Amino acid sequence: DAGVIQSPRHEVTEMGQEVTLRCKPISGHDYLFWYRQTMMRGLELLIYFNNNVPIDDSGMPEDRFSAKMPNASFSTLKIQPSEPRDSAVYFCASSSDRAYEQYFGPGTRLTVT
Amino acid sequence: ILNVEQSPQSLHVQEGDSTNFTCSFPSSNFYALHWYRWETAKSPEALFVMTLNGDEKKKGRISATLNTKEGYSYLYIKGSQPEDSATYLCARGGNKLTFGTGTQLKVEL
Repeated sequence: DAGVIQSPRHEVTEMGQEVTLRCKPISGHDYLFWYRQTMMRGLELLIYFNNNVPIDDSGMPEDRFSAKMPNASFSTLKIQPSEPRDSAVYFCASSSDRAYEQYFGPGTRLTVT
Repeated sequence: ILNVEQSPQSLHVQEGDSTNFTCSFPSSNFYALHWYRWETAKSPEALFVMTLNGDEKKKGRISATLNTKEGYSYLYIKGSQPEDSATYLCARGGNKLTFGTGTQLKVEL
């Protein structure tokens, strides 16, 4: 398996623009997680899905953030409108229901100017 | 302990030294404790997941112990090598993880 795939790897956008981050989990994994990593707050969970259903979105910072998982092999994290404080590395991870280890993708480095 | 705390924040050791660091976490409602290794410019990689008090896990030169009653876990590296240089994160939880801020290890020749 190719592992968790994320795109784009880097995104530079202007404040106010819509940003969409994409993730393909490992085939057969039932859980998908979106994390944000910043210097100030470290690695924090934004939302996670089980069998394509959002289970906990309490980490989503505000209404500008939304996430979807239309099928078992694809998820998006959308920020609309983006702000400079959204600049961070966004990781997607997946795991199976037989083990707790989470497998992380390479991350998307987002810069909002 | 209200959050997941790791110490020390950073550590410099010489090649061949053995080292250890600590993860402290709330002991109530414990589910699992995870250790991840995070190299610069890469993504976190799972090392261990431990669920039972007294658990000990080992992978090569790296091992970890767990005390759920007092809320701490130790990670040990025996005979550190330069390739062990990374940030070591612990996290508490089953699926919903709360991460510590990590211990940054630098192994020098």
